[in-house]
Order: sequence, then structure tokens, then C-alpha cells
Amino acid sequence: AQKITQTQPGMFVQEKEAVTLDCTYDTSDQSYGLFWYKQPSSGEMIFLIYQGSYDEQNATEGRYSLNFQKARKSANLVISASQLGDSAMYFCAMRADNNDMRFGAGTRLTVKP
Amino acid sequence: GAGVSQSPRYKVAKRGQDVALRCDPISGHVSLFWYQQALGQGPEFLTYFQNEAQLDKSGLPSDRFFAERPEGSVSTLKIQRTQQEDSAVYLCASSLEFPSNQPQHFGDGTRLSIL
Repeated sequence: AQKITQTQPGMFVQEKEAVTLDCTYDTSDQSYGLFWYKQPSSGEMIFLIYQGSYDEQNATEGRYSLNFQKARKSANLVISASQLGDSAMYFCAMRADNNDMRFGAGTRLTVKP
Repeated sequence: GAGVSQSPRYKVAKRGQDVALRCDPISGHVSLFWYQQALGQGPEFLTYFQNEAQLDKSGLPSDRFFAERPEGSVSTLKIQRTQQEDSAVYLCASSLEFPSNQPQHFGDGTRLSIL
């Protein structure tokens, strides 16, 4: 069975600084996808970034990058140049080829002015 | 609209009543997922459809929960004889079928409160 672990219930970062949100996973599948979603207080789930298990390069999307370390089974999200609007819950998720998708418990990020 | 649509946005029911939650996925999306999200928690998988076929219902917490997608588009999640522990946000998501790098697109959810 798949398992996603986010060990940081809450994180604080100063505006304009970078922050890393941790995610580790456990799976016996060889092929899988890793996702990060943002959930603001309004409740919608916003897709941020994707990393495939066979991708050799770390994924990047604007200010978001994914630090993928396959041997350690970690997929940490790095947000550069934090903005006040980045304050939200962040969820790491993994999807196997059978389409089964599992989410971590989330990290609440607060950006301080 | 172009996104996943869920209705109602909010639902209040008395314990013991039956409720039905609707999800209208993005047109052309084969896969449809239901999640339950308790306050302060991550989404918990309930069930998954590929077209009209329910391929995985392992996350449904009890036989009071039932989901269907009879024509492979709109889906309904039904909860019978609701209990207070059923209070949560119910999220629906849809995606293209394969490959697994396709992100799920979520609706705004239905916030269910059982009194």
C-alpha cells in the first residue's frame, strides 16, 4: 500500500525567502507520479507541480521546484521568493499506474511580512 | 464551465437522513475520484471510477456510502442514515485516464454538516 508522510504540520517563512516543505513516500510500485497541491483557506485544491518516478531532472514550475531523491523516497517542494499569497495548506500526493492516489496530511505554510 | 462542478456547496442534514452529493467532471475526463477531507486533514480516498465502472471502492468507510456514475460523466455520492462522523468536505476530482502524470482537477467540494 502507498503511504505519504508530511512531517511538518506548520511552517513559517519570511516574505521573499525560500522554504522547503518535506514529503516522503513509501511504495512498492516502480512507476508512479508525485504531485503537490496547494489548498488556500477558500478550500479549492490547486495543482502545483508533478514529478515522474522515471524523470531524471527535478521538476520546476515558476517559483516551485521539486527536490526529488528517489533512493530516499523523498519529494520535497521548494518555494522560492515566498509571497504573502503563498500562505496555505500544501499537500503531497502520489499516484500509481492503477490510478490510486494518496495524499499526505499536509503542511500549513504561513508567510510573514 | 470548464472545471469540475460540485453541488451543493453546503449541505446540512439531521443525523439519520440520507444525502446525495453531485459531481460534474471536466468534459472528456475518464477518471473520477471522490475524497473525504476532515478539518485539518488531507483528502482521504473514497472511490474511483473509470468511465461508468467503479474500479476501486476500498476507501468507502461503510456500506452506508454508495457512489455511482451510470453514464460515465456525472457522479453521485450517496450517504444513507448519516452520522455525525460523516461531517466533512467531500471533494470530487477528475483526470484524463493515463498516463499517471495527469494531475487531478478538483471541484470546490461539498461541505457536509450532520447535526
